[in-house]
Amino acid sequence: GENVEQHPSTLSVQEGDSAVIKCTYSDSASNYFPWYKQELGKGPQLIIDIRSNVGEKKDQRIAVTLNKTAKHFSLHITETQPEDSAVYFCAASSRGSQGNLIFGKGTKLSVKP
Amino acid sequence: DTAVSQTPKYLVTQMGNDKSIKCEQNLGHDTMYWYKQDSKKFLKIMFSYNNKELIINETVPNRFSPKSPDKAHLNLHINSLELGDSAVYFCASSQFRQGDHTFGSGTRLTVV
Repeated sequence: GENVEQHPSTLSVQEGDSAVIKCTYSDSASNYFPWYKQELGKGPQLIIDIRSNVGEKKDQRIAVTLNKTAKHFSLHITETQPEDSAVYFCAASSRGSQGNLIFGKGTKLSVKP
Repeated sequence: DTAVSQTPKYLVTQMGNDKSIKCEQNLGHDTMYWYKQDSKKFLKIMFSYNNKELIINETVPNRFSPKSPDKAHLNLHINSLELGDSAVYFCASSQFRQGDHTFGSGTRLTVV
């Protein structure tokens, strides 16, 4: 089955700096890669996603890149702000599966003012 | 309007008790899920229902029994609760095989 590895487990940056979180996956059939942000006491919230027919997607300060050959994808946050502090999860899913998500173990991002 | 709502938000109970968690979605999705988040924040699929039919049943003890009365509702009943069942349980929904889940705010279960 699918296995998703996520690094780093913790990341601390200064406000205004960029943050990068990386994930690798094992199942070449996976074709959907979302990123979720989880704030304390809340459920995961989708912030951006990418499908395997696209190499990069951007939404304001957030971007995701996908390298299908190497089976890895990354989240890039530019001009970080204190409110970006949260736990970020990457995930993978395959249309051949039942649609459930396989999650990475999460990255705790701290943005220091 | 809450898209995926689950109740209760907190549940504290003694070992051996039976408890239920309820979930409802108003997004018109045809697939609903239960995920478990352990103390290390790891999220793992437990069950999935598509149009009221069970399609995923991961290696979860049979003390856990999901029930879907209709496409908009998915409940989780847990028998004979154990200390190791303490976790946050998240309900989610999506269109079948479309991937993008909408999650509820979670139910923190504490077994004492």
